[in-house]
Amino acid sequence: AQSVTQLDSQVPVFEEAPVELRCNYSSSVSVYLFWYVQYPNQGLQLLLKYLSGSTLVKGINGFEAEFNKSQTSFHLRKPSVHISDTAEYFCAVSHNTDKLIFGTGTRLQVFP
Amino acid sequence: DVKVTQSSRYLVKRTGEKVFLECVQDMDHENMFWYRQDPGLGLRLIYFSYDVKMKEKGDIPEGYSVSREKKERFSLILESASTNQTSMYLCASSLEGPVAKNIQYFGAGTRLSVL
Repeated sequence: AQSVTQLDSQVPVFEEAPVELRCNYSSSVSVYLFWYVQYPNQGLQLLLKYLSGSTLVKGINGFEAEFNKSQTSFHLRKPSVHISDTAEYFCAVSHNTDKLIFGTGTRLQVFP
Repeated sequence: DVKVTQSSRYLVKRTGEKVFLECVQDMDHENMFWYRQDPGLGLRLIYFSYDVKMKEKGDIPEGYSVSREKKERFSLILESASTNQTSMYLCASSLEGPVAKNIQYFGAGTRLSVL
């Protein structure tokens, strides 16, 4: 069965610092990978997705992620965070099935 | 813009009550989903529907049922609410086709407390 691991439940960082949110998945076959963000009191919205092609994927709000098949990882990065990036971030994986498997989430807290 | 609307933002119910959570989407999406979100557990799929009157169990269907009589509306039903169903419930929808590839659009959630 597929699984997704987000090792960091919370990541505190100062404004304008770089950040990396880690995501590892377990699958021996090809997968589709997603990062969703949940701002306070809102539903989830898509940040970016990897279906095929270039392993570096750019998303909204300056975020990007790199698909690394050998390390089964899909880490999310931003070179300089803003206060408004404070949110919970979910990594999700799917194969050719009818469902997305979500990670447990990483709460990014940006301090001034 | 896709809009997924959940009828209640907060709901408080007593154990044993029958509870209806309603979700409506305005983009003519075929697929609709109900998730439960709990701290430290992420999102877990309860049920999904890929067409009117069609439904499939997700990972945690026990204690829940669903109804999809119209394409735009997907209801989650707790037949007899219990305290362990206190949670945040998220509805989502996506276009027809492989669920695996399509973007899901989420509502703002219903925070249900069962006392």
